[in-house]
Formats: sequence, structure tokens, C-alpha cells
Amino acid sequence: AQSVTQPDIHITVSEGASLELRCNYSYGATPYLFWYVQSPGQGLQLLLKYFSGDTLVQGIKGFEAEFKRSQSSFNLRKPSVHWSDAAEYFCAVAEGTGGFKTIFGAGTRLFVKA
Amino acid sequence: NAGVMQNPRHLVRRRGQEARLRCSPMKGHSHVYWYRQLPEEGLKFMVYLQKENIIDESGMPKERFSAEFPKEGPSILRIQQVVRGDSAAYFCASSPPTTETQYFGPGTRLLVL
Repeated sequence: AQSVTQPDIHITVSEGASLELRCNYSYGATPYLFWYVQSPGQGLQLLLKYFSGDTLVQGIKGFEAEFKRSQSSFNLRKPSVHWSDAAEYFCAVAEGTGGFKTIFGAGTRLFVKA
Repeated sequence: NAGVMQNPRHLVRRRGQEARLRCSPMKGHSHVYWYRQLPEEGLKFMVYLQKENIIDESGMPKERFSAEFPKEGPSILRIQQVVRGDSAAYFCASSPPTTETQYFGPGTRLLVL
């Protein structure tokens, strides 16, 4: 069965510093991979996705992620964090058979300090 | 183009009552997914529906929970005889046919007293 692991429950970074959020997945075939962001009391917004092709994908708000098959990882990065990036971030993997049921990680809460 | 709509945004029920959560997918989207988010946890898949069909309900609790997506109107997630453990945020997502990308609604936060 597929699974998604986000090892860091929460991370604190200073504004302007770089950010990397870790994500590891377990899936037999090439997965469909996603990163979502959730602000308190809100729904989920898609940051970026990977299906195939270039393993470095660019997303919205200056985020990027790199798919590494050998490490089963899909880490999210941002070179310079802004205070408005404080939120919960979810990595997710979707099956591609008979629909796209999505498995989410437990999330990483990002705190940004001035 | 309006996004995925969910109502109500907040719902309070007493134990034993019924909860009905509604989801209107984006225009042109015929696939609907329901997820549940317990406090401090990620989203858990519940059910995947297409118009008038349940495709995958492997994440639905065996009792008290049901979902439908009729030919006309919104998708409904129904929880009968609610218990305190049902308190959670319930999110709906929709997608067009044959696409992997789901668009999420703002969620319904259910509180069971």
C-alpha cells in the first residue's frame, strides 16, 4: 500500500532563509506527486505536481520540488522564505488506476520568525 | 469560474443527530472526492464518486457514513447518528475526467457536542 512520510512535524525558519521540507513516499510504480499548502481554517491549495519528465518542477509562490526515484523522495524547497509562507504543508501521492485517490502525509507546519 | 463550493462551512450537531455535508464541484468536473481531516492530522481519503456512481469507497467507515453524487445537484456526504469522534474537517475535491489534479473546497468543519 502507498504511504507518504513527512518526517518533520514542524519547522521554524527565519524570514529570508532557505527552506526544505522533506517527503518520502512508498509506491510501486511511478507516482503522481503533489505538494499542497493549507493556511489555518482554509482548504488546500496546490503548490506543484510531478507526473513525469523533468524531475525538478516549479510551482507557485516561488516553490520548487525535486523528484528523486532512487531515494523515493519529493522534497519541497524555496530559496527565500516570506512571513506569509507560514502554514501547513502536505505532500501527497495519487494512484492512477480507476481514479486518483490521494494519500496525504501528516503535514509539516512551517513557522517563520522575523 | 467558481471553485469547489462546500456548505455549510461550519456545522454543529449533538450526538445521535444526522449531519449532511454538501459539495458542488467546479463547472465541468464530474469526479468528486471526499476526505476527512482529524485535528493535527493529514487528510484521509474517504470516497470517490462520479455522477450517479460510487467508484471507490475504501476509506468510508462501514457504518453510519454514506455518500452520493446525483445526476443533478451537489454531492452529499451523510453521517447518521453522529458521535464525538466524527468531529473533523471534511474536504471535498473535484476534477475533470481523466486528470490527476484535484481542486479542493474550503471544507466543512463538523463539531459534535
